Order: sequence, then structure tokens, then C-alpha cells
Amino acid sequence: NAGVTQTPKFRILKIGQSMTLQCTQDMNHNYMYWYRQDPGMGLKLIYYSVGAGITDKGEVPNGYNVSRSTTEDFPLRLELAAPSQTSVYFCASNGKGVYTEAFFGQGTRLTVV
Amino acid sequence: GENVEQHPSTLSVQEGDSAVIKCTYSDSASNYFPWYKQELGKGPQLIIDIRSNVGEKKDQRIAVTLNKTAKHFSLHITETQPEDSAVYFCAASKGAEGADGLTFGKGTHLIIQP
Repeated sequence: NAGVTQTPKFRILKIGQSMTLQCTQDMNHNYMYWYRQDPGMGLKLIYYSVGAGITDKGEVPNGYNVSRSTTEDFPLRLELAAPSQTSVYFCASNGKGVYTEAFFGQGTRLTVV
Repeated sequence: GENVEQHPSTLSVQEGDSAVIKCTYSDSASNYFPWYKQELGKGPQLIIDIRSNVGEKKDQRIAVTLNKTAKHFSLHITETQPEDSAVYFCAASKGAEGADGLTFGKGTHLIIQP
């Protein structure tokens, strides 16, 4: 059981480039999330999804897009990378039901230069 | 929106002593309060959580207390060990079934001195 898998683990982008951060989970979880973590800060919610075909903005959605075509996958898209998007990105999922545990991936460290 | 404050940002304790980390939240509608441990290069992992209808919960050396009136909750680690060294985050959620995500504190770097 792999849990939540993120790829790539590291990436360097040039300003203006685009990329997709991949996230997949094998726990059949309905809910999936993308967070970013900046140095000395807690995690901030970018986007979330309560099921296939449904996505919603979190606290810091600007500059990002998501899609949820299947239960397993929740990719995060950066269209025009900016230095302010240098961060560590975490994908998470939890099952449907009251107060279930959120499982996190290992993270993607992104640097925009 | 919800705001979670966490203190201290760094905590150094002698091995075997206790550690206490405190958090406050702003939204009285929040009803779920998990604590996560993050080791270097890894994603956060749940260590304990508490619901708003409970005042205290214990799991071996770890305990969490919740004061809904004062809107604060705390993590207590007793008999600390070297493997407890990590960054700890508190969080709060108010969505039904927790579906709309977590609001995190800024984290506490816990250092266990041998």
C-alpha cells in the first residue's frame, strides 16, 4: 500500500515556465488537497477536491490550477512560474467520514529561478 | 477565515523531561484539532487529534488538551526521547467531515538534548 505518492521530488524551473506536480493515492479516498510550505511557516491550502470532477480554492490559489478526473489523481498545474512559487508542495488525502486522518505525500521541492 | 497561532517556535528540552506546545485558534466553529509531526525531508504525519466534544486525550507519552472557551489546545509529550526531535504542527478544521482542509500553525521545532 503506497499511500500518497508525489512526483517529482525536486524540480528547478525558470521564471515563466510551466509544470505539473503529480499526486496519486491508492487508498480510495474521496478528499484530496494541495498545500504549500514556506520556510518557518505552516502549510497553507492551495486547492482541494471532495471527489472526482469537483475542485475548490483554498487560502492561496493564485497562480495554480487543479483537476480531478479520477478518484486517484489530483495534479497541480503551475502555468507561469514565479519566484514567489518557490516552496515545498505537499499533497494529502483523507477518506470520507467525520474527522478522518489526512495522509501526506513526501513533498515536491520546487525552486523558481 | 480561521487563524491558528502556535508557540513556541523552538523548544529545547533535556531527554526525559516533558515538552509542551500551545496553540490558539480564532474561529469558534472549528471542531477538529490534529497534531502532526514532520521529520526532515518527509511529509507531516498525524500523531494525535481531538474533537471539540472532548477535553483531553492521551496516547502513551502524548496527550492533547482542549479548552473551547478560551479557544486553545496544547500538546504534551512526557519522558522525551531523541526520536521525538522534529517539527510539530497544530491544525484546526471546521468543515463537515473535515472536507475543506486544515489551517496549520507555523510549527514548533522540538530539540531533545541528550
